[in-house]
Amino acid sequence: AQSVTQLDSQVPVFEEAPVELRCNYSSSVSVYLFWYVQYPNQGLQLLLKYLSGSTLVKGINGFEAEFNKSQTSFHLRKPSVHISDTAEYFCAVTYSSNTGKLIFGQGTTLQVKP
Amino acid sequence: GAVVSQHPSRVICKSGTSVKIECRSLDFQATTMFWYRQFPKQSLMLMATSNEGSKATYEQGVEKDKFLINHASLTLSTLTVTSAHPEDSSFYICSARDRGRPADTQYFGPGTRLTVL
Repeated sequence: AQSVTQLDSQVPVFEEAPVELRCNYSSSVSVYLFWYVQYPNQGLQLLLKYLSGSTLVKGINGFEAEFNKSQTSFHLRKPSVHISDTAEYFCAVTYSSNTGKLIFGQGTTLQVKP
Repeated sequence: GAVVSQHPSRVICKSGTSVKIECRSLDFQATTMFWYRQFPKQSLMLMATSNEGSKATYEQGVEKDKFLINHASLTLSTLTVTSAHPEDSSFYICSARDRGRPADTQYFGPGTRLTVL
């Protein structure tokens, strides 16, 4: 079955430190990958996406992610986090560009401490 | 940028009543809208896919008679939770695909928190 696994449910980190949020997906021939951020009681905002081309994808708010096909991973990174980055982060995948159906990971809570 | 709205943002109702949640694409036409359910501290689970002018496609395990979805126009989809019970309390989020953009482009609404007493 198609699935997305976010390996860490919570990631505490101090302000201005680097962070990596991990995401692995079940292998497929063609896959599109996304990272979304959700602030409390709000909908989802797209951080970045990988469709094709360069495996290093840059997104909003200083985030970037690297697509690694051999390891079926799409880890999210930021070199220096801010308090305002505290939120829930979801990795998602779609295996069909036609349907657009997204499969979400379990989510990772990023807690940035002063 | 593209905006998707949901109304209401919060609703509290008594057990046994029905609740309608609206999802609107404000500045684009949405051929497809998706409805998700999110329990506290959990991920989003796709409930159904709604295509304008046709019946919704429900995911396995989702009761179509309980969660009625109507996609009457290219800018509006509604989710009606019929005879709601406390276990239906959840955060419901819709998303919409922009007809004029690549198929991977999907915009999310702010969500509706349903509390059934």
